[in-house]
Amino acid sequence: AQTVTQSQPEMSVQEAETVTLSCTYDTSESDYYLFWYKQPPSRQMILVIRQEAYKQQNATENRFSVNFQKAAKSFSLKISDSQLGDAAMYFCAYITGNQFYFGTGTSLTVIP
Amino acid sequence: SQTIHQWPATLVQPVGSPLSLECTVEGTSNPNLYWYRQAAGRGLQLLFYSVGIGQISSEVPQNLSASRPQDRQFILSSKKLLLSDSGFYLCAWSDGTGNTEAFFGQGTRLTVV
Repeated sequence: AQTVTQSQPEMSVQEAETVTLSCTYDTSESDYYLFWYKQPPSRQMILVIRQEAYKQQNATENRFSVNFQKAAKSFSLKISDSQLGDAAMYFCAYITGNQFYFGTGTSLTVIP
Repeated sequence: SQTIHQWPATLVQPVGSPLSLECTVEGTSNPNLYWYRQAAGRGLQLLFYSVGIGQISSEVPQNLSASRPQDRQFILSSKKLLLSDSGFYLCAWSDGTGNTEAFFGQGTRLTVV
């Protein structure tokens, strides 16, 4: 079965600090892509970062980076220098074929 | 550039009434189209997806249906709404290559009363 697990329903971080959101997934496919989406209170889904499974190098996007461990099927998101605007629900997802699979989300609170 | 439009943004409907939510994509052709539902504080549940005109795959049995009358138009419908249909509905598209992200509309907040 294709599944995505985010084991942290809620996380909090002090402003300017670093936080890591966890994600594990289960797929039998060898070719897939992984994503982290951010959903702020407006509920607009915004792509944060993407990772190609065939690439060993971890993706980075400004203050956002991932730790991709393919063998362990782990795809965590690190947010550095957290800002108040980072407060949102974060969803881990992957695509294989035409199907996207999403986790249940982690609600991130940023404490001033 | 590609854009996705979803409307209405909010909707309050009585139980038993019909539903029609519309989604259109601009700036691309033959996209994959998706309807998701998100209950309060929960993840995304895939309802329907379509890889082409008239091709609809249903993931969850329910009283909702979807149609794709045109290449870039995706409609979510119901003949009779239930209280349990309340939620936040998101339309999304991808380019169908299997290696790009999904792009989401603004969402529709549906309240069935």
